[in-house]
Amino acid sequence: GNSVTQMEGPVTLSEEAFLTINCTYTATGYPSLFWYVQYPGEGLQLLLKATKADDKGSNKGFEATYRKETTSFHLEKGSVQVSDSAVYFCALSVDGNKLVFGAGTILRVKS
Amino acid sequence: GAVVSQHPSRVICKSGTSVKIECRSLDFQATTMFWYRQFPKQSLMLMATSNEGSKATYEQGVEKDKFLINHASLTLSTLTVTSAHPEDSSFYICSASATGGVNEQFFGPGTRLTVL
Repeated sequence: GNSVTQMEGPVTLSEEAFLTINCTYTATGYPSLFWYVQYPGEGLQLLLKATKADDKGSNKGFEATYRKETTSFHLEKGSVQVSDSAVYFCALSVDGNKLVFGAGTILRVKS
Repeated sequence: GAVVSQHPSRVICKSGTSVKIECRSLDFQATTMFWYRQFPKQSLMLMATSNEGSKATYEQGVEKDKFLINHASLTLSTLTVTSAHPEDSSFYICSASATGGVNEQFFGPGTRLTVL
């Protein structure tokens, strides 16, 4: 079946630190990959996506590269800010209609 | 971006009662709405997909008589948890899409249900 595994949190970093949140997947087809972010009290928002191998999604300083050989889509940011504190979800879609999510990783950034 | 609201944000009810959760697309018409459930420290699990004016499609293992979904208009879908029990306590999240595709799916903030 299709599934997503992401690193457990919470991840606590100081402002301007480098961020990596690991995400690996298993899929029966050729999935599109997504990162969603949920700020406190708000709904999930699409952060970035990639639809084929070696594609790099990027937005707001965050990046993730679709690695088919390692079935991974790790999220990175070079310098985090307090405002990046949120829950981050990795997800995949095989059919373009349904999303399969990871468990989410809480990020806390301290000033 | 598009806005999706949920009401209520939190609800506490007694075992055996029914609870209705509303999901509204505020600034667009949603032909498709999705209902998810999230347990603590676990993934969002898709429960069902509903298209306006037709019956919802439930995922395997989700009891359709337990979780009633109505998508009566292009801006409103409701999830009713019937005869709720403590094991139904969870975080319920809806999303809405104008096209039905994942690229255009916008999420509500979620509803925390606690059944005593």
